[in-house]
Amino acid sequence: QVQLVESGGGLVKPGGSLRLSCAASGFTFSDYYIDWVRQAPGKGLEWLSYISSSGSAIMYADSVKGRFTISRDNARNSLYLQMNSLRAEDTAIYYCASPSSESRYFAHWGRGTLVTVSS
Amino acid sequence: EIVLTQSPATLSLSPGERATLSCRASQSVSSYLAWYQQRPGQAPRLLIYDASDRATGIPARFSGSGSGTDFTLTISSLEPEDFAVYFCQHRSNWPRTFGQGTKLEIK
Repeated sequence: QVQLVESGGGLVKPGGSLRLSCAASGFTFSDYYIDWVRQAPGKGLEWLSYISSSGSAIMYADSVKGRFTISRDNARNSLYLQMNSLRAEDTAIYYCASPSSESRYFAHWGRGTLVTVSS
Repeated sequence: EIVLTQSPATLSLSPGERATLSCRASQSVSSYLAWYQQRPGQAPRLLIYDASDRATGIPARFSGSGSGTDFTLTISSLEPEDFAVYFCQHRSNWPRTFGQGTKLEIK
């Protein structure tokens, strides 16, 4: 079955950097685009970034544009999010989410990884 | 950016009752709208996509309707496990956005 597992979260100081990973299994990773979505504690969902199946097309939310970089390694079935210049408001659970053969929405989600930005 | 506004913010109902949740878009999203359920401590789960199609494994008591700017998620008869937070989300253009959520709580 489809599995997405995020890792790399933790406590970081304002202005610091962190790299998140998402390991995918149970499907042909290279056939699907995939996104990052976050959720601040007790808040709603915020779409962050998209990368096409080949990596040739990338989109970002304005809130992270210029600070975060999405990438993927199809040979390793992995998705990444490089986060620089982190702010307190970036504190959230970060999810990777992918479509399915049935739906072009976020049909599959990982359990998320918590990023805390605090001094 | 398309803003999705969900109402009500909180809905208090009893098991067995019918729930009607609303999502209004600031401009037309055609039928490119999905609904998700999120239980405490869990990742969201896709319920409905393209406004009215049930995702695989989703019970028939969940249904979606609407197009353009006004959408509805209906749960025909609430089960105990349905009490959760529900979000709508569009994929009409960039950026993708979510509604702020409706919390469905036990009355």
